[in-house]
Amino acid sequence: NAGVTQTPKFQVLKTGQSMTLQCAQDMNHEYMSWYRQDPGMGLRLIHYSVGAGITDQGEVPNGYNVSRSTTEDFPLRLLSAAPSQTSVYFCASSYFRGSDEQYFGPGTRLTVT
Amino acid sequence: GENVEQHPSTLSVQEGDSAVIKCTYSDSASNYFPWYKQELGKRPQLIIDIRSNVGEKKDQRIAVTLNKTAKHFSLHITETQPEDSAVYFCAASMTGSNDYKLSFGAGTTVTVRA
Repeated sequence: NAGVTQTPKFQVLKTGQSMTLQCAQDMNHEYMSWYRQDPGMGLRLIHYSVGAGITDQGEVPNGYNVSRSTTEDFPLRLLSAAPSQTSVYFCASSYFRGSDEQYFGPGTRLTVT
Repeated sequence: GENVEQHPSTLSVQEGDSAVIKCTYSDSASNYFPWYKQELGKRPQLIIDIRSNVGEKKDQRIAVTLNKTAKHFSLHITETQPEDSAVYFCAASMTGSNDYKLSFGAGTTVTVRA
């Protein structure tokens, strides 16, 4: 099993550009989520999904969109990048909602200039 | 929503000594409390977790204690080794509810001095 994979590993965007961060898992997990990690602020939940076709907002959803058309994939879209979105983004999945071990992807380091 | 506070933000210990990290949570309905370890440049990985029907859990040199009345839980690392140097995150969530969010603390950077 590859576990949770994310692409790209690094990305530089200009303010106003849009892009999609890809996340996939091959463990047949129902629950998937996106976090951003900023120094001194821990991991903050952006969006999550409890199954295909179901998504919901987390703690910091503004400026981001998600969709879940399949169990395996959970892409995160930045609609119009801003410098405040410079961060490390982690995708995670678990078998059961948020109350089980979260398996994290390797992360995407995004810089918005 | 749930608010998790974590202290200290940095911790330096001599190799072989113990390290203790403390977290408090705000929502008394939270009942799942995991701890994650993140080495430099790597992804967070679960090291131990505890549910609210248990007061203490151990796994080799790592232990977690939970005080539901005071709404706080702690991570204890004994006989620290250089490979314990990392950032540690506590988290809290509610099971059996419609709120599937896992809330993380801000993290503790642990440095083990040789």
